[in-house]
Amino acid sequence: DTGVSQDPRHKITKRGQNVTFRCDPISEHNRLYWYRQTLGQGPEFLTYFQNEAQLEKSRLLSDRFSAERPKGSFSTLEIQRTEQGDSAMYLCASSYNIDSPLHFGNGTRLTVT
Amino acid sequence: GNSVTQMEGPVTLSEEAFLTINCTYTATGYPSLFWYVQYPGEGLQLLLKATKADDKGSNKGFEATYRKETTSFHLEKGSVQVSDSAVYFCALRNSGGSNYKLTFGKGTLLTVNP
Repeated sequence: DTGVSQDPRHKITKRGQNVTFRCDPISEHNRLYWYRQTLGQGPEFLTYFQNEAQLEKSRLLSDRFSAERPKGSFSTLEIQRTEQGDSAMYLCASSYNIDSPLHFGNGTRLTVT
Repeated sequence: GNSVTQMEGPVTLSEEAFLTINCTYTATGYPSLFWYVQYPGEGLQLLLKATKADDKGSNKGFEATYRKETTSFHLEKGSVQVSDSAVYFCALRNSGGSNYKLTFGKGTLLTVNP
């Protein structure tokens, strides 16, 4: 069990650029979650996958955001035309089933200049 | 909707002091309650949980009791250590429909001095 891995750890980008983050969940976990955490706030739910199916997408995710989980393994979160308000820590988590604890990665910190 | 309110930090204590971090919640149905801890530079880790009223979660000397009558889940530890310095998040997960979604409080930064 190597834990949930996120890449990159840090990303600095200019406003208007596209960015993509990757999450590798714990191998036997079929549920994967993305959360966003801004300074001084707790994590906020963004989206949820069961295997490759995206079952919910929060209203926090505008149409500039898209997440995928091809083949039910790793996941990517893409932000198009980034804005300064997108600056945050993006957290990925996975779990074995709906009642299992969530295991979080260390996050990707995005800074939009 | 669901919400979690935690006492604001930062909280600064001396080693071996008693710790309480207050947490209250608003939820429909019968939520499960959690405390997560985030050590510097690391991801969130589950510290303890309780799934029904009057349950007590405990781990690493920390305890929290699910109080339905006061909608609270306060975190306590009798004697804190320097290694307990971290950010602590209270969270809930609702039963029913969207029961995969965690709602977090804002977090409380704890610093323990030797």
